[in-house]
Amino acid sequence: SQTIHQWPATLVQPVGSPLSLECTVEGTSNPNLYWYRQAAGRGLQLLFYSVGIGQISSEVPQNLSASRPQDRQFILSSKKLLLSDSGFYLCAWSVREKLFFGSGTQLSVL
Amino acid sequence: AQTVTQSQPEMSVQEAETVTLSCTYDTSESNYYLFWYKQPPSRQMILVIRQEAYKQQNATENRFSVNFQKAAKSFSLKISDSQLGDTAMYFCASGGSQGNLIFGKGTKLSVKP
Repeated sequence: SQTIHQWPATLVQPVGSPLSLECTVEGTSNPNLYWYRQAAGRGLQLLFYSVGIGQISSEVPQNLSASRPQDRQFILSSKKLLLSDSGFYLCAWSVREKLFFGSGTQLSVL
Repeated sequence: AQTVTQSQPEMSVQEAETVTLSCTYDTSESNYYLFWYKQPPSRQMILVIRQEAYKQQNATENRFSVNFQKAAKSFSLKISDSQLGDTAMYFCASGGSQGNLIFGKGTKLSVKP
């Protein structure tokens, strides 16, 4: 069966520091991969999605970037974090139209 | 642009009773899907139910069912025989065939004993 791993679960970073969140999927090949962000008390905002290695689509221009160096690996990065980057980050993969989510990373930028 | 609107920020229901959560959407897609996701306090997003827009029959999954009104762009979720474990945030979402979903802001549901 397919599983999705996302780490770390929580992260506290100072303003201006870099960020790297990693997500990997097991049990499937060539999945569509997604990064969503959930701000406190808000819904989910699609940040990036990828339909293949090296193919990244950005939905919201911002301080973040994404990369897909391997088929089942999706990385969310920032060179310099802002306070507004705080939130709950969710990685997801899809089978056709259904989305399946990882357990999320709570990022606090102080 | 696609939008999903959930007009009820919070709702509560007594255990064993029925509750309906509202959702309206707007999309330019001709072939689209609608979803309800549940986010319990663990924050894990769990797919509750899915509706294919080209199907007129309302989807059901055990105690969960939807009322899909395509012309009105309405997609409500009915939870029957509410249980304490149903306490969660519920998100309505719409999307095409690729999985890049647009989510509403959520409805916080509390089931009271």
